[in-house]
This record gives sequence, structure tokens and C-alpha cells, in this order.
Amino acid sequence: AQSVTQLDSQVPVFEEAPVELRCNYSSSVSVYLFWYVQYPNQGLQLLLKYLSGSTLVKGINGFEAEFNKSQTSFHLRKPSVHISDTAEYFCAVRSGYALNFGKGTSLLVTP
Amino acid sequence: NAGVTQTPKFQVLKTGQSMTLQCAQDMNHNSMYWYRQDPGMGLRLIYYSASEGTTDKGEVPNGYNVSRLNKREFSLRLESAAPSQTSVYFCASSYRAHEQYFGPGTRLTVT
Repeated sequence: AQSVTQLDSQVPVFEEAPVELRCNYSSSVSVYLFWYVQYPNQGLQLLLKYLSGSTLVKGINGFEAEFNKSQTSFHLRKPSVHISDTAEYFCAVRSGYALNFGKGTSLLVTP
Repeated sequence: NAGVTQTPKFQVLKTGQSMTLQCAQDMNHNSMYWYRQDPGMGLRLIYYSASEGTTDKGEVPNGYNVSRLNKREFSLRLESAAPSQTSVYFCASSYRAHEQYFGPGTRLTVT
């Protein structure tokens, strides 16, 4: 089964600074990758997805991710974060009919 | 268009009691899923239903049963609740596993 590893459990960052949340996936011939965001006491919302094509994927709220096959990575980036980006972020990979999620990275943005 | 709805939002059970978590979607999706979320563990798949009339076990099915009542509804039943089942439960649906839409969650405490 496909799996992902999120390398950081918590990432503190100051407002307006850039951020990168790291995700590595298990190697496979083809892979579908996702980033989801969970705001406090809410369900998960899709940020972006990579199915095929361009390796740079743009999502909502100014986030983007780059699919890197040689490094089996799918890191999430934002050039300038806002307080409102404080949330839990999950990387996920399609495995059969379902998704396998990483353990999550808590992004804390402070003034 | 309500998306994915879950009832109840909160529930407290005593050990050994039973209950059913309800989930419904109005997006005409074929596939539906039940996950549990525990601190530091990410989301783990309990059961899924790839299409109406089929259900399959996920990563952590023990202690749970599911019913795909029709295309819209997918319920999760705890026959004899245990403290280890204290968690937040999320239902999700998708046309394919390319993009899953999540409900708001049910916060369950078993004492």
C-alpha cells in the first residue's frame, strides 16, 4: 500500500514569513498526492492535488506544492503566511479506492 | 447543497453501549468512507464503500460495522463501545478517490 510521511509534527512561523511543510511518499510507478487543511474543530478541506502533468501544483489560499519524483517528495509551500493559516495540514496519497494520510503537521503562525 | 452531513456532532457513551453514527452526502458520489482521527495519528480509515452495495475494511475495522443504506447514506455502528474508541469520526465521500469531501465530524467519548 502507498504511504506518506510528514517529517515535521509542528512548524512555528512568524506572520508574513515563508513556510514549507514537508511530505515524502513511498515510491510507486504512479502516484496521486494531496494536501488537506483542517482548521480547529472542523473537517478537512482539500488544498491541492497532483494527479499528473505539471510538477508545480497551485492550490487555494496561495499554497503550492512541487512533485519531485527523484526525491519522492511533495512539499507544500507558501511565500508569505497569515495568522489565518494556523491549522493542521495533512499530506495524503491514493491507495486503491481510499487515501492514506500522514500524521499531520501543525502550523502555528504568530505575529 | 449541504455536501457531507454527520449526526450527531457530539456523543458520550458508557463502556458497552452501542450507537450508530449517521452520514449522508448529496453530491451523487459513488464512494464513501469512515475515518477516525486521534492526536498524533492522523486519519485512519475504518471502512469504505467503493460503490452502493459494497463495503470493505480499512486499516482499523475492529469493533465497528458499517451499512451502505443507499447511494447517499453510509452509517457506522459501534456494537459495544470501548474507551479505545474515544475519537473524532469523519465521514467522507468522493466520485473517485481523487478528491474526498469531508463532513464536520462526530466527537465521541466513551467512559
